Amino acid sequence: DTEVTQTPKHLVMGMTNKKSLKCEQHMGHRAMYWYKQKAKKPPELMFVYSYEKLSINESVPSRFSPECPNSSLLNLHLHALQPEDSALYLCASSPTGRETQYFGPGTRLLVL
Amino acid sequence: AQSVTQPDIHITVSEGASLELRCNYSYGATPYLFWYVQSPGQGLQLLLKYFSGDTLVQGIKGFEAEFKRSQSSFNLRKPSVHWSDAAEYFCAVGAPGNGYNKLIFGAGTRLAVHP
Repeated sequence: DTEVTQTPKHLVMGMTNKKSLKCEQHMGHRAMYWYKQKAKKPPELMFVYSYEKLSINESVPSRFSPECPNSSLLNLHLHALQPEDSALYLCASSPTGRETQYFGPGTRLLVL
Repeated sequence: AQSVTQPDIHITVSEGASLELRCNYSYGATPYLFWYVQSPGQGLQLLLKYFSGDTLVQGIKGFEAEFKRSQSSFNLRKPSVHWSDAAEYFCAVGAPGNGYNKLIFGAGTRLAVHP
């Protein structure tokens, strides 16, 4: 089973709202990732968690706040987003940091 | 710096025809190489990967890819395309660093399939 699940599938939020995206995997993977994908573009790495510790932050604005409560769960907290943050947000996981990354279906975010 | 080039932004083929999607990479050592496919509004599905060993790798859905070190290429092929193969295809290089593979994606190739 190589399934990564993400909720919600779609999210519409105003610029003053606070919302969270959730990602879950039950494959025992110890590395988890957040990517942002704009239309007609490849995914861009945002954050990497390794063994529940934040390993990489690709200079992401502080209005995006990741959290890894346990080895199966990854959250992305959103606050005061801008319309240009509208995108598909993809979560991925890998057994450790060096193996294949498996992606979830994504959350389509629209910021009004 | 590492980079991935997919020269073809858009390819159209007829159903049943053969397919080759090109991918060239720039990397100092032997990289980890991946092909992912993405249907509209969906996540990325792994088609196949190359880490080492046999340079011809088989993947899911009848796809294969060949690693050619001399040409820094990892082209994706399928002998007979099905209408359901219409999607966006991304080639990616895994660049080890900080204990993990940072995936560097190409710009993608959009495949359209005519009946």
